[in-house]
Amino acid sequence: DQQVKQNSPSLSVQEGRISILNCDYTNSMFDYFLWYKKYPAEGPTFLISISSIKDKNEDGRFTVFLNKSAKHLSLHIVPSQPGDSAVYFCAASAQRDDKIIFGKGTRLHILP
Amino acid sequence: NAGVMQNPRHLVRRRGQEARLRCSPMKGHSHVYWYRQLPEEGLKFMVYLQKENIIDESGMPKERFSAEFPKEGPSILRIQQVVRGDSAAYFCASSPARVNTEAFFGQGTRLTVV
Repeated sequence: DQQVKQNSPSLSVQEGRISILNCDYTNSMFDYFLWYKKYPAEGPTFLISISSIKDKNEDGRFTVFLNKSAKHLSLHIVPSQPGDSAVYFCAASAQRDDKIIFGKGTRLHILP
Repeated sequence: NAGVMQNPRHLVRRRGQEARLRCSPMKGHSHVYWYRQLPEEGLKFMVYLQKENIIDESGMPKERFSAEFPKEGPSILRIQQVVRGDSAAYFCASSPARVNTEAFFGQGTRLTVV
């Protein structure tokens, strides 16, 4: 029972263009959403989050959009840079139980 | 995320031995989470602990796995009688004592069962 789904295992984007990573969730109790970035042999690093009371949150080159009615969120990275090549995990939590549930990740390749 | 300390970074155990993985949360954090990442898989939630309490262990295998977070000292994930299928990267994360906040991860312990 996968509550957080990242349906694209991998994505290739040209350097300088926009990277869009998508995530769907099934649990309507989720009210807090996070994106993490992970390099090989390292722990995940927190990137950006969004509360369910918002539909957009921006931090530098990273913007997260939340569509509650569609139970969908996306991470936009613009412009994409070589150092953005990593695995990106979408995650969600519900205030009532507070554990963070992760998707399977999307491997982003930034092409020169 | 350098604040969350996990050790060892790499652990090799023979089948049937015990594995003990340690996690020291960031200063001021009282919530600890353990996740497992199998090869080519995402991060699977295992257990969520606060000091001296297991809050949610719904992701823990029913046998051989246990976790604790004592009043003093690090959180310990213990795997008894390890099998090859336990080979994975185990990540610990910590967060402050409030809801809806990000968790910070350690570098992980890569367990290899031979």
